Amino acid sequence: EAEVAQSPRYKITEKSQAVAFWCDPISGHATLYWYRQILGQGPELLVQFQDESVVDDSQLPKDRFSAERLKGVDSTLKIQPAELGDSAMYLCASRIVAQSNEQFFGPGTRLTVL
Amino acid sequence: SQQGEEDPQALSIQEGENATMNCSYKTSINNLQWYRQNSGRGLVHLILIRSNEREKHSGRLRVTLDTSKKSSSLLITASRAADTASYFCATDPRGGSYIPTFGRGTSLIVHP
Repeated sequence: EAEVAQSPRYKITEKSQAVAFWCDPISGHATLYWYRQILGQGPELLVQFQDESVVDDSQLPKDRFSAERLKGVDSTLKIQPAELGDSAMYLCASRIVAQSNEQFFGPGTRLTVL
Repeated sequence: SQQGEEDPQALSIQEGENATMNCSYKTSINNLQWYRQNSGRGLVHLILIRSNEREKHSGRLRVTLDTSKKSSSLLITASRAADTASYFCATDPRGGSYIPTFGRGTSLIVHP
């Protein structure tokens, strides 16, 4: 069964360092989401892609976060510089098209900023 | 802000009992989805109910949707210890860019 892949699964970094997360959605899924989930809360959308285009990044802290999906397939989320408050689970999800059906989530990347 | 809000925040039951959790939302929707998340893992889709549906079943799961009250409920019957997880509702708002929004979740503990 096709799955959303994410790497790394865990990342520990010091504040002010740069970190990058990678996501490979299910083949053929045009819509890709990056979420941040703080412990005890629900996922909060950071950015939504439709193919290679950003549909919504209104919740993305653009002074330090960036996301790209250059060829409309896999995607990278970067944080530079990392801050203590960035410690969270970063989840990637994909969908065939927006709103059409369920989202398929990857296992997430657990980020700890020291 | 999160559109969907689950209630209760935490639920503790014995194996075999039924578990009911509720979700309320604020704007008109195209569909509502329920997800399960085991500790430290990604979310797993459970069931999707469209705005023109009132009830849907999948195995031991039963979901209802009341669009007039902007609420949904998830019932897990004959719960098992393996059902221990957090449960989230997510809504696809009608109109706009269809940005899905999640609630804070219900933490369910099923004691063996």
